Amino acid sequence: GAGVSQSPSNKVTEKGKDVELRCDPISGHTALYWYRQSLGQGLEFLIYFQGNSAPDKSGLPSDRFSAERTGGSVSTLTIQRTQQEDSAVYLCASSRRGGNTGELFFGEGSRLTVL
Amino acid sequence: GESVGLHLPTLSVQEGDNSIINCAYSNSASDYFIWYKQESGKGPQFIIDIRSNMDKRQGQRVTVLLNKTVKHLSLQIAATQPGDSAVYFCAEIATGTASKLTFGTGTRLQVTL
Repeated sequence: GAGVSQSPSNKVTEKGKDVELRCDPISGHTALYWYRQSLGQGLEFLIYFQGNSAPDKSGLPSDRFSAERTGGSVSTLTIQRTQQEDSAVYLCASSRRGGNTGELFFGEGSRLTVL
Repeated sequence: GESVGLHLPTLSVQEGDNSIINCAYSNSASDYFIWYKQESGKGPQFIIDIRSNMDKRQGQRVTVLLNKTVKHLSLQIAATQPGDSAVYFCAEIATGTASKLTFGTGTRLQVTL
């Protein structure tokens, strides 16, 4: 597609369940980011993939969070044993290259609600 | 730790007036700054960027000013329109390092008629 695509757009789950959020970046973009945005807050960095380099996982809040990027394209963010504080909008972004550009293209996000 | 923050959480401006949104950053190694606009229910959208070798950059109706001495960044919107109503984020990065884009908290711009 023309833009970054994320699914699902909305996810309601029960505390303790696992969830998977998917991001399909713009074709040809080598860099992919996951951010988390709580209500009325800024963007909290989670993880960054750049080409074939080891991902920067420094923003993952706990070991319940993991992400992978298969074939340098689609990425999946997995949250295990979800907690209520995990409720947020999870935003994915891609860019043509990594650290030297600030022009990230964002998807519309996946809104996660943990009951 | 290093952070990027904003002075005003909400700014209300009358249609047609100019808007100024401010941002302070604390990482002296940051050399590239970006403003993003986020409309309700959407992801942030790139507006304009500026590198540290510049102190001013202009786009269409927007101007970004950078004052490295006091680590301050501002976004000026000329002739503000209702469509400018959104949350605006500044972001920073130290290019050439392994750092990633760091976003501030955001300022909500409300345009009144």
